[in-house]
Amino acid sequence: AQSVAQPEDQVNVAEGNPLTVKCTYSVSGNPYLFWYVQYPNRGLQFLLKYITGDNLVKGSYGFEAEFNKSQTSFHLKKPSALVSDSALYFCAVRDGGSARQLTFGSGTQLTVLP
Amino acid sequence: DARVTQTPRDKVTEMGQEVTMRCQPILGHNTVFWYRQTMMQGLELLAYFRNRAPLDDSGMPKDRFSAEMPDATLATLKIQPSEPRDSAVYFCASATDRANEQFFGPGTRLTVL
Repeated sequence: AQSVAQPEDQVNVAEGNPLTVKCTYSVSGNPYLFWYVQYPNRGLQFLLKYITGDNLVKGSYGFEAEFNKSQTSFHLKKPSALVSDSALYFCAVRDGGSARQLTFGSGTQLTVLP
Repeated sequence: DARVTQTPRDKVTEMGQEVTMRCQPILGHNTVFWYRQTMMQGLELLAYFRNRAPLDDSGMPKDRFSAEMPDATLATLKIQPSEPRDSAVYFCASATDRANEQFFGPGTRLTVL
């Protein structure tokens, strides 16, 4: 079975400050990891993914995520937050095998304060 | 700009009525997923198809829900009869075998009174 934990329901950060949204995972095989963002009344938008290779993955809108195998974590980061980054963020995982299902975390509401 | 489309965007219906939601995946995507999002349960996978064949519908209440892909450009999710507890936002997503990320539609917001 695969699972994802997002330990923080809410993260508040001041505009211009760095932000981190945390994610830990559990999967039996090689993890495929994803971050998605959801704005109000919209579908989920893909931000970035880790499949293999460099542990630091860069994605859309200046976001990046660091894969840490020993800590089974895949935290989302951005060096300087914007008010427009305020949204709901989801981490997701799947096993690297043939099954295509993603398991999503419960989501973290990010609020960037002006 | 290729994107997943879903209709209707909003649906209000009365308990007991049939509801059909439609999804058009991105052209060339061979895998389609149906999710349900609620405040209490978050994002739940209901069913998914690959090359139009259902691969997993274990997340779907079998007695009232059904999902089909009549052709490669259309996926449907039907609820009959609908109940108030079915009120949620239903998302469709599509993907290819080569790329691992899924692309989501805008969702159908269903309210069952």
